Amino acid sequence: RKEVEQDPGPFNVPEGATVAFNCTYSNSASQSFFWYRQDCRKEPKLLMSVYSSGNEDGRFTAQLNRASQYISLLIRDSKLSDSATYLCVVNNYGQNFVFGPGTRLSVLP
Amino acid sequence: EPEVTQTPSHQVTQMGQEVILRCVPISNHLYFYWYRQILGQKVEFLVSFYNNEISEKSEIFDDQFSVERPDGSNFTLKIRSTKLEDSAMYFCASSEAYREKNTGELFFGEGSRLTVL
Repeated sequence: RKEVEQDPGPFNVPEGATVAFNCTYSNSASQSFFWYRQDCRKEPKLLMSVYSSGNEDGRFTAQLNRASQYISLLIRDSKLSDSATYLCVVNNYGQNFVFGPGTRLSVLP
Repeated sequence: EPEVTQTPSHQVTQMGQEVILRCVPISNHLYFYWYRQILGQKVEFLVSFYNNEISEKSEIFDDQFSVERPDGSNFTLKIRSTKLEDSAMYFCASSEAYREKNTGELFFGEGSRLTVL
């Protein structure tokens, strides 16, 4: 089983839509969780950390379910500028941040 | 805003040649990383570096790879004898004192694209 798995995508949605991405991780000892965003041929950039209680940042909501080893990202009211690949990242308090394969989102006008 | 800088942005080399990729991490960061991303594939961890030594490395980081912090600012990745399959985007990243602050944020450079012919 791969360490971090994500919805294969791509997701093609119209502007204004709500879209949800799912991620699962295999290491039950994992401690820290993140969503990064990567634009085409660019470096990954932190979108948001994911906390046990769930957290929201504007149109973005992240949830963590430790029992199920599952992380989600919800984007409301999608904008064209949200088009990117969304990377689920897990850290086990070591120095290795493990990246999922990413889910590509295209927001269409 | 402080940023991680990488050079070169693109390097083309012949198979078997040595390549050095350079990075200047954010100045107050203590943890440094190299990741690679083969075109169309996921971001893969290579190595992490803390307190002037390797703290963790992946299976990809074999004997042909080495890292060095030759001075107080640069962090380099050397590939001794490049292979075709080393063609990828190599990202340098840095983070703060993770265990103390637990920010967990990796700050990436823009990457160095390596093409091995």
